[in-house]
Amino acid sequence: SQTIHQWPATLVQPVGSPLSLECTVEGTSNPNLYWYRQAAGRGLQLLFYSIGIGQISSEVPQNLSASRPQDRQFILSSKKLLLSDSGFYLCAWKRGSTDTQYFGPGTRLTVL
Amino acid sequence: AQSVTQPDIHITVSEGASLELRCNYSYGATPYLFWYVQSPGQGLQLLLKYFSGDTLVQGIKGFEAEFKRSQSSFNLRKPSVHWSDAAEYFCAVGAPSGTYKYIFGTGTRLKVLA
Repeated sequence: SQTIHQWPATLVQPVGSPLSLECTVEGTSNPNLYWYRQAAGRGLQLLFYSIGIGQISSEVPQNLSASRPQDRQFILSSKKLLLSDSGFYLCAWKRGSTDTQYFGPGTRLTVL
Repeated sequence: AQSVTQPDIHITVSEGASLELRCNYSYGATPYLFWYVQSPGQGLQLLLKYFSGDTLVQGIKGFEAEFKRSQSSFNLRKPSVHWSDAAEYFCAVGAPSGTYKYIFGTGTRLKVLA
């Protein structure tokens, strides 16, 4: 069976510090990978998605970037965090273009 | 433009009462349709999905949803709500022709009164 991991689960960072959130998927190959953000009381905002190694599509221009160094690894980064980057970050995957999307447990990021 | 609307931001029901959460979509064709549930501080869990066929779909935890093409709706229902159903519920759509992205509604937060 497939599983998706995210770490860390919780993170508190000062403004201006760098960020690296990691997502890995087990039990499948060549998944489509996604990063979403949920701000407090808000819905899901798609940030990035990737259909293959090194292929990143950005949905919203912002302070964040994403990379996919390996087939089942998806990383969300920032060089300098802003207060507005606080939120709940969710990674998701699905097999192909017509399939169900499955979510990881999320990372709670607080920028102070 | 494609969109998903969940008109109810908050819903409160008593335990044991029936539940219906609304979802309307705007799409050029019949999309793939999903309902997810999110407990506080956790990821989203798939409740059910509709791709084709029978328009009444059964899911986990006693939930069901009905696809109504004429109303562009995919409402989620449960005949008797349990306190553990308190969570946020998201409707989502995807294109049957194949898309890498799904569109999510803004969610409905369900509160259950004992």
